[in-house]
Amino acid sequence: GAGVSQTPSNKVTEKGKYVELRCDPISGHTALYWYRQSLGQGPEFLIYFQGTGAADDSGLPNDRFFAVRPEGSVSTLKIQRTERGDSAVYLCASSLLGQMTTYEQYFGPGTRLTVT
Amino acid sequence: AQKITQTQPGMFVQEKEAVTLDCTYDTSDPSYGLFWYKQPSSGEMIFLIYQGSYDQQNATEGRYSLNFQKARKSANLVISASQLGDSAMYFCAMREGRTGSQGNLIFGKGTKLSVKP
Repeated sequence: GAGVSQTPSNKVTEKGKYVELRCDPISGHTALYWYRQSLGQGPEFLIYFQGTGAADDSGLPNDRFFAVRPEGSVSTLKIQRTERGDSAVYLCASSLLGQMTTYEQYFGPGTRLTVT
Repeated sequence: AQKITQTQPGMFVQEKEAVTLDCTYDTSDPSYGLFWYKQPSSGEMIFLIYQGSYDQQNATEGRYSLNFQKARKSANLVISASQLGDSAMYFCAMREGRTGSQGNLIFGKGTKLSVKP
């Protein structure tokens, strides 16, 4: 079946602009995660959805970052007033259940965001 | 304090040899899961193996095995019979399992494995 998809694969934007990154999880997966991976680092957690609601947004770095999942499937990560420090690969993952330790997370290919 | 520590930024191994990638973790939660992911140069994170904190036996998946030493809080990945296609970044990650909404993975900084022909 289809895996996690993310669009666009690459995004170049100017400092100060607004961007939206989209994630389409595996069908039936109730949990959805956003991570950010800077060069040479492991992914860092941003936000986690269980269904339509954000169960944990403690990883969002500041209020310029926001994410939604209105119908419990596709999610959009929104970044306002982008800064050069936002440049990174944004990874989306989904899993069957969010509260069990046994369920692996399936990752998408990521969106590489470059802020110039 | 780092929750996941991978002390080897880079490792080399000869093709067909075994290699161990180190991972130590820190948690006060009695229920947790440990994961290893592979990230080739293409960028996608590929799940390799999982170990639960209550599992009595070390996890194995084909050529991958996890050397779980709970008292030492270590979860080293062993790759047997290395192949050229194993060259990639390897990330150790933990998911703390306390009740509630915490479901995210906490990743280490990774180890870059290079397999030599």
